[in-house]
Amino acid sequence: DTEVTQTPKHLVMGMTNKKSLKCEQHMGHRAMYWYKQKAKKPPELMFVYSYEKLSINESVPSRFSPECPNSSLLNLHLHALQPEDSALYLCASSRTGYNTEAFFGQGTRLTVV
Amino acid sequence: EDQVTQSPEALRLQEGESSSLNCSYTVSGLRGLFWYRQDPGKGPEFLFTLYSAGEEKEKERLKATLTKKESFLHITAPKPEDSATYLCAVQAISDFGNEKLTFGTGTRLTIIP
Repeated sequence: DTEVTQTPKHLVMGMTNKKSLKCEQHMGHRAMYWYKQKAKKPPELMFVYSYEKLSINESVPSRFSPECPNSSLLNLHLHALQPEDSALYLCASSRTGYNTEAFFGQGTRLTVV
Repeated sequence: EDQVTQSPEALRLQEGESSSLNCSYTVSGLRGLFWYRQDPGKGPEFLFTLYSAGEEKEKERLKATLTKKESFLHITAPKPEDSATYLCAVQAISDFGNEKLTFGTGTRLTIIP
C-alpha cells in the first residue's frame, strides 16, 4: 500500500472560518509533510514532521497550524485565512533517513472566499 | 541556497517523437534526486530516485540519468497518456540538519496524437 489519503478533496471556506485538513498513511513512514501548490507552480514546502515532532517550519504564517497526533496522521488547522491562501494543499510521507522518496496524496483544493 | 532549474518550461511533441527533459541543480549535501509526474489537480506521482552520478533508471518509455550537475528524463516514443507536468526534486540536508526536498518548476509535456 503506497497510498496517502487526504480529506476533504475540496474545501471552500470564509475568511473567518476555522477548518482542518487531514492526511493519513499506513506505510509505516515516520516523516510527513505539508506542501502548498499554486497553479502552474511547483509544490512549496510548509512543514515537516519527523517521528511526530515538528522539524521544519518554512516560516509559514500562524494562521496555518500543523498537528501530528500519531505516526499515521497529520492535520493542518486553518484559521482566518486570506484569499491568497487558496491553493492545492498536498500531504506527503516518507521513511526517515537519507535517500527516501516521498509519496504524495491527491491534495485538498482549498478556496478562501 | 539550493536551486533546481528545469527546461524547457513546456514541450509539445508528436506521438512517437522522442525527446529529453533537463533538470539542473545546485545544492550542497545532495542526498538524492527524484522525478515525479503530476497530472492537473492531482498530487505528484513518484517515478524515480537517483543517488549518484552515472546512475540510470528506466520505467516503460521513461529513462532517467544523473550527472554531478544535472539529470535528464528521456522519453522514448511517447504516447498521449504521457502528457503531464514532470517535476524534478532534490533532497539535501538543510542548515539545521534536516532533510529537505526542493522542487524545480517543472516541464509541461504535451503529446499530440
